[in-house]
Amino acid sequence: NAGVTQTPKFQVLKTGQSMTLQCAQDMNHEYMSWYRQDPGMGLRLIHYSVGAGITDQGEVPNGYNVSRSTTEDFPLRLLSAAPSQTSVYFCASSHLAGGRTDTQYFGPGTRLTVL
Amino acid sequence: DAKTTQPTSMDCAEGRAANLPCNHSTISGNEYVYWYRQIHSQGPQYIIHGLKNNETNEMASLIITEDRKSSTLILPHATLRDTAVYYCIVGGSGGYQKVTFGTGTKLQVIP
Repeated sequence: NAGVTQTPKFQVLKTGQSMTLQCAQDMNHEYMSWYRQDPGMGLRLIHYSVGAGITDQGEVPNGYNVSRSTTEDFPLRLLSAAPSQTSVYFCASSHLAGGRTDTQYFGPGTRLTVL
Repeated sequence: DAKTTQPTSMDCAEGRAANLPCNHSTISGNEYVYWYRQIHSQGPQYIIHGLKNNETNEMASLIITEDRKSSTLILPHATLRDTAVYYCIVGGSGGYQKVTFGTGTKLQVIP
């Protein structure tokens, strides 16, 4: 199993550009989520999904869109990049056990710089 | 969901036990305690979790107080590779959607 994969590993954008961060998992996990981590800070939840076709907002959703058309993929779209979105982005997935998320598996992260 | 409080940083001598505390005084009855760690800038790695009873696996032990308001992660024989940021989080039937990782405890293992 590849686990959770993220592409690209690094990205530089100009203010106002849009892009999509890709996340895929091959563990048949129902739950997937996106976090951002700013320098010296903890992880903050952006969006999450409990299954294909179902998404919801986390703590810091503004400026980001998500969709979940398949169990495996959970892309994060930046609509109009801003310097405040410079961060490391982590995708994670887990099983849902009795309505509760189980152990989360994280991807290696995407390091995004917005100029 | 409950919030957690952890010390900002701790040191531990190599080969000694590292005891990392976490307070979660507002934890509810169906919420689990999870521990993760993040080495350098890698993705966080799951360590252990528990509900009421103490738990042990190949990486660590988790001690949860009887009132469940605090817990301690124990790394029995710390090595230099255990230097990382350790996150204590709580989650339950509502999943992870309202849970934040906070800033965790930076553990420095000293030779």
